[in-house]
Amino acid sequence: QQQVKQSPQSLIVQKGGISIINCAYENTAFDYFPWYQQFPGKGPALLIAIRPDVSEKKEGRFTISFNKSAKQFSLHIMDSQPGDSATYFCAASNLNAGNMLTFGGGTRLMVKP
Amino acid sequence: GAVVSQHPSWVICKSGTSVKIECRSLDFQATTMFWYRQFPKQSLMLMATSNEGSKATYEQGVEKDKFLINHASLTLSTLTVTSAHPEDSSFYICSAVLRDYGYTFGSGTRLTVV
Repeated sequence: QQQVKQSPQSLIVQKGGISIINCAYENTAFDYFPWYQQFPGKGPALLIAIRPDVSEKKEGRFTISFNKSAKQFSLHIMDSQPGDSATYFCAASNLNAGNMLTFGGGTRLMVKP
Repeated sequence: GAVVSQHPSWVICKSGTSVKIECRSLDFQATTMFWYRQFPKQSLMLMATSNEGSKATYEQGVEKDKFLINHASLTLSTLTVTSAHPEDSSFYICSAVLRDYGYTFGSGTRLTVV
């Protein structure tokens, strides 16, 4: 089921720095690429999502970069804050077909004060 | 927005008993519900897909007789863990899809089997 590969597995960033997490996918039928933030004991919360017709999407401090030809997408967190410390998951799906999300392995982010 | 209410949020049960987890779509009709399982420090793995009015589709390696899924209405899907054992202890999360829009997740159920 591992059609989405995520790296790194863990990341430590200083407060104010940029956190970068990368994902690669295989299934060219995927048309929806979200990023989720998860805190311990909680369900995943949608941060930002992109469709393949655009190469970048920005919402506040969060930016998705999407490279369709390389089948890669990444999350950039600008001005990282200690409150951003959480586990981040990329995912992908064929949303138009109503199919399930396939998740990457997750990245545990720690932002040091 | 579309909300999925999942209950209970946590449950402790004795080995050999059954536990039912409910997911309700509060303000929309969920024709499809996905059930995921997440072990500590791991990713979400799809267990099964439930469609209203039909049998659930299980992923390879998931025992359908152990994880009973019922999707009898457009607003309720349930997962019953039968004859639970300690290795079934995990975080179970449901998710509904709204085509062309996105996904909405339940808040998850922490199951501990003792």
